[in-house]
Amino acid sequence: KAGVTQTPRYLIKTRGQQVTLSCSPISGHRSVSWYQQTPGQGLQFLFEYFSETQRNKGNFPGRFSGRQFSNSRSEMNVSTLELGDSALYLCASSLSGGTGRETQYFGPGTRLLVL
Amino acid sequence: SQELEQSPQSLIVQEGKNLTINCTSSKTLYGLYWYKQKYGEGLIFLMMLQKGGEEKSHEKITAKLDEKKQQSSLHITASQPSHAGIYLCGAPFNFGNEKLTFGTGTRLTIIP
Repeated sequence: KAGVTQTPRYLIKTRGQQVTLSCSPISGHRSVSWYQQTPGQGLQFLFEYFSETQRNKGNFPGRFSGRQFSNSRSEMNVSTLELGDSALYLCASSLSGGTGRETQYFGPGTRLLVL
Repeated sequence: SQELEQSPQSLIVQEGKNLTINCTSSKTLYGLYWYKQKYGEGLIFLMMLQKGGEEKSHEKITAKLDEKKQQSSLHITASQPSHAGIYLCGAPFNFGNEKLTFGTGTRLTIIP
């Protein structure tokens, strides 16, 4: 089975722009979670999608949004980019989630650099 | 303060030596995950522990969960260069929520 895939792998943007990142979960997995990883804050939960609905949300401003499609693929969008948004963005998938007791498998990440 | 504290923050070990990484929670643990990350890459799932006293092994890596102490340990036996990387523990603190809270990580360097 193919693992979680994320595109693009690297991205450079300038302040004020917006960006869209994509995540394809493992086949059959319906829950997709997004995380932001920075040297200062570590790994932080952004949000989780299941059945095209946002089921859980972390403490990030509204500039961070996401969606999930009927095939479980997910995208996250960051509008009005700030320098502090530079980070490694990771997505993770699990079968159905909802309990916190299913293994979450992570993708390779998208490294975003905001100049 | 961090809900999950890992110690040590970094570790330099000679190849062939054993080592232990600890993860201590400030909250009740309902389960704990261990992941490994190569710098700048995704997380590789190692093990999930769900019950107090549970111990799991995979190749030369063993992890244990002590629910009473709210602590987990990861032990590597006869370390190899392939074990180098950042080890992260993560826990779901809210039942019914996929959100994992992660520790700050332990950076492991193996010296040949």
